[in-house]
Amino acid sequence: AQTVTQSQPEMSVQEAETVTLSCTYDTSESNYYLFWYKQPPSRQMILVIRQEAYKQQNATENRFSVNFQKAAKSFSLKISDSQLGDTAMYFCAFDSNRDDKIIFGKGTRLHILP
Amino acid sequence: DVKVTQSSRYLVKRTGEKVFLECVQDMDHENMFWYRQDPGLGLRLIYFSYDVKMKEKGDIPEGYSVSREKKERFSLILESASTNQTSMYLCATLWPLGRGATNEKLFFGSGTQLSVL
Repeated sequence: AQTVTQSQPEMSVQEAETVTLSCTYDTSESNYYLFWYKQPPSRQMILVIRQEAYKQQNATENRFSVNFQKAAKSFSLKISDSQLGDTAMYFCAFDSNRDDKIIFGKGTRLHILP
Repeated sequence: DVKVTQSSRYLVKRTGEKVFLECVQDMDHENMFWYRQDPGLGLRLIYFSYDVKMKEKGDIPEGYSVSREKKERFSLILESASTNQTSMYLCATLWPLGRGATNEKLFFGSGTQLSVL
């Protein structure tokens, strides 16, 4: 069975700094998708970034980028020039291309300090 | 914009009651999901569904059942609510489907905070 592990329950960084959130996963599949979702205090889940496993190039979305290491089964999220609005829970998620079962990690609570 | 609507934002029920959590989507998506979210445990998959009358167990289906009589509606049922089912419940749809889709993503409802007393 697939698993997703986020080893950092909580992190705090100063505004404008760069922060990296870790995620590792376990699967025997070769084709899948990975996501980072953000959940601000409003509780609404927002997609931050996604990565297809067959793509070697790391995905980027403005200040957000990932470091995808397929062999190591690692998918970390880097937030550059962090802003107060980045304060939220961040969830890493795995999407099995085989059955579209999507599972999440336990989340990392990120605080951006002024 | 895709809309995923959960019927209640807050719900309070008594132990032993039968509870229905409703989720409706307006985009004809096939795949729908129910998760529960608890502090320190993240989102855990309860059930998901590929299509009408299709359902698959997730990681924690015990104590829950689902119904999908129409494509747009996916209901989560707590047959006999217990205090350990107090949680935030999130419904989601998936679109477009994988296997080549370049912008597949989950669309979430705003959640139902269920308290079982």
